[in-house]
Amino acid sequence: DQQVKQNSPSLSVQEGRISILNCDYTNSMFDYFLWYKKYPAEGPTFLISISSIKDKNEDGRFTVFLNKSAKHLSLHIVPSQPGDSAVYFCAASERGGADGLTFGKGTHLIIQP
Amino acid sequence: DSGVTQTPKHLITATGQRVTLRCSPRSGDLSVYWYQQSLDQGLQFLIHYYNGEERAKGNILERFSAQQFPDLHSELNLSSLELGDSALYFCASSAPGRGAGELFFGEGSRLTVL
Repeated sequence: DQQVKQNSPSLSVQEGRISILNCDYTNSMFDYFLWYKKYPAEGPTFLISISSIKDKNEDGRFTVFLNKSAKHLSLHIVPSQPGDSAVYFCAASERGGADGLTFGKGTHLIIQP
Repeated sequence: DSGVTQTPKHLITATGQRVTLRCSPRSGDLSVYWYQQSLDQGLQFLIHYYNGEERAKGNILERFSAQQFPDLHSELNLSSLELGDSALYFCASSAPGRGAGELFFGEGSRLTVL
């Protein structure tokens, strides 16, 4: 039973445009959400997070939106750059702690020149 | 470079064997987490240690065990290996006071069971 779902295995976006990656969750106890980015042959790196008390968090070109009623979050990257090509994982946790982050399967973002 | 070191990077072994994966967390980090990534799967949480003590267990098989030593490095022991244990095993650490869930991952150990 997947509690965190990323339904798009891959996404192709033109350089300079907006990239939108989506994530859905089923566990209503999740209260902290994160996005990680992974390049080939490297470990995932933390990108941005959001607490369930907020509906938006912004960090430079990256913005995460949380819709609790829909149990949906999205990551917006504007403008998209070639270096953004990577696999993006959505993750969630209960009680705001790192005991057992639940990850989605990832979305492979490809930025086209 | 995340500062988390995992060895070995690659390991090929046979079914029924036992292997040990090693992880050194970032300097100053007390927490170590182990995750498994199988083909086409997200990262599955296995176990969390904090300053030598087990804090949480995820979907870790009974054939797997882990420990964290006084110098804070950790080892994940996988025994009676099966073909399905072939996966990438990641170790991660987190800093005290850092936002919850913000983990620093190593590059992973790729285990192939033949």
